[in-house]
Amino acid sequence: GAVVSQHPSRVICKSGTSVKIECRSLDFQATTMFWYRQFPKKSLMLMATSNEGSKATYEQGVEKDKFLINHASLTLSTLTVTSAHPEDSSFYICSARPDRGFFWGNQPQHFGDGTRLSIL
Amino acid sequence: AQKVTQAQTEISVVEKEDVTLDCVYETRDTTYYLFWYKQPPSGELVFLIRRNSFDEQNEISGRYSWNFQKSTSSFNFTITASQVVDSAVYFCALSDTEYGGSQGNLIFGKGTKLSVKP
Repeated sequence: GAVVSQHPSRVICKSGTSVKIECRSLDFQATTMFWYRQFPKKSLMLMATSNEGSKATYEQGVEKDKFLINHASLTLSTLTVTSAHPEDSSFYICSARPDRGFFWGNQPQHFGDGTRLSIL
Repeated sequence: AQKVTQAQTEISVVEKEDVTLDCVYETRDTTYYLFWYKQPPSGELVFLIRRNSFDEQNEISGRYSWNFQKSTSSFNFTITASQVVDSAVYFCALSDTEYGGSQGNLIFGKGTKLSVKP
């Protein structure tokens, strides 16, 4: 089945550090990937839609200069949290939407296992 | 606008009890897809089921069953004879398309935290 690898699974770092999270589709191509953020005991909130070869589309209220997204290939999107502060601590989940022609099973998006980011 | 409502924030049951998680959705699309995901404490999202808007048949998978009713825009999820391992947050989600057109965005409900006590 479709697999999405998200790395790292957990990050603890000091305030002011920039943190990069990778999202890879392992057995399919994904022109479109999504980045979600989940606060404790809250639902998943879509942050941005990542499009290979073009700029990401950010949801209202998400700072594009704070959350840099790069989708440089059909299997890799990265989210960089720049100059992270404690309020950026959260659970970040990516998902990838298989391109037409690839098997996608029952889901429009396949999720990574998430990255738990803790900023001290 | 699309919206998913899970009115139950938290539910606590004792093992072997049956429990139903409610999900009500709003959409103007005639073709849409409904999903349930399980999120255990470890955080990953586990896909449980997909249902398209043209298929109102109820589905049973082991101890899990789903009741889809277009008339009330509901897609409820029942766990029979609950077990401690069922403890998790359960999300209902709505998507407007499989492919093409829009991005196939998933609209999530706020989730229901289920605690099953031994």
